[in-house]
Amino acid sequence: GESVGLHLPTLSVQEGDNSIINCAYSNSASDYFIWYKQESGKGPQFIIDIRSNMDKRQGQRVTVLLNKTVKHLSLQIAATQPGDSAVYFCAETPYSSASKIIFGSGTRLSIRP
Amino acid sequence: DSGVTQTPKHLITATGQRVTLRCSPRSGDLSVYWYQQSLDQGLQFLIQYYNGEERAKGNILERFSAQQFPDLHSELNLSSLELGDSALYFCASSVDRGTGLTGELFFGEGSRLTVL
Repeated sequence: GESVGLHLPTLSVQEGDNSIINCAYSNSASDYFIWYKQESGKGPQFIIDIRSNMDKRQGQRVTVLLNKTVKHLSLQIAATQPGDSAVYFCAETPYSSASKIIFGSGTRLSIRP
Repeated sequence: DSGVTQTPKHLITATGQRVTLRCSPRSGDLSVYWYQQSLDQGLQFLIQYYNGEERAKGNILERFSAQQFPDLHSELNLSSLELGDSALYFCASSVDRGTGLTGELFFGEGSRLTVL
């Protein structure tokens, strides 16, 4: 697929276990954060978002945690499934400006059977 | 299917040439974004248009230009191509009605450009 070959950190997880993917951001002006999933051969797909007035948000099988103090966010995937294999990107932007959304470098999640 | 259509899916050309990539956003989406994805740089934001006007610019080279037409489709023009321009170029669209940002971008499947 198109994302193969990207020089990315890789997280290998046993099927059924929980996955935690981490992301550090550097722009203090960013107050809105988004996680995307990119499967092989496809464009990125929105997973979940969070604004800086929150420190946790839950979706279906996913949870995003935001720690503004250390400029860190994480994506937790519960009961990881083979279909979760993908590259995961965090993205950031200043919420008020409705402008460019900047993506992080990505983490490849691989699932062991 | 995200509803965003990009053409062509694959393009092979030579250095020095010029190409145009086309994007049709989801019906009703006013914002169009262009991103470049290369092996060593991940997803790089190039430019955003909102309802025909340029809204934000990233690290887009002067050799590259884009526009959004009245029917909201967008084109990315890449000229004087170099080997390093070989990459996947993604278009994304969002609702972005101006009442607040949604981070939910809908991406097309990309146009793979190979410069030989």
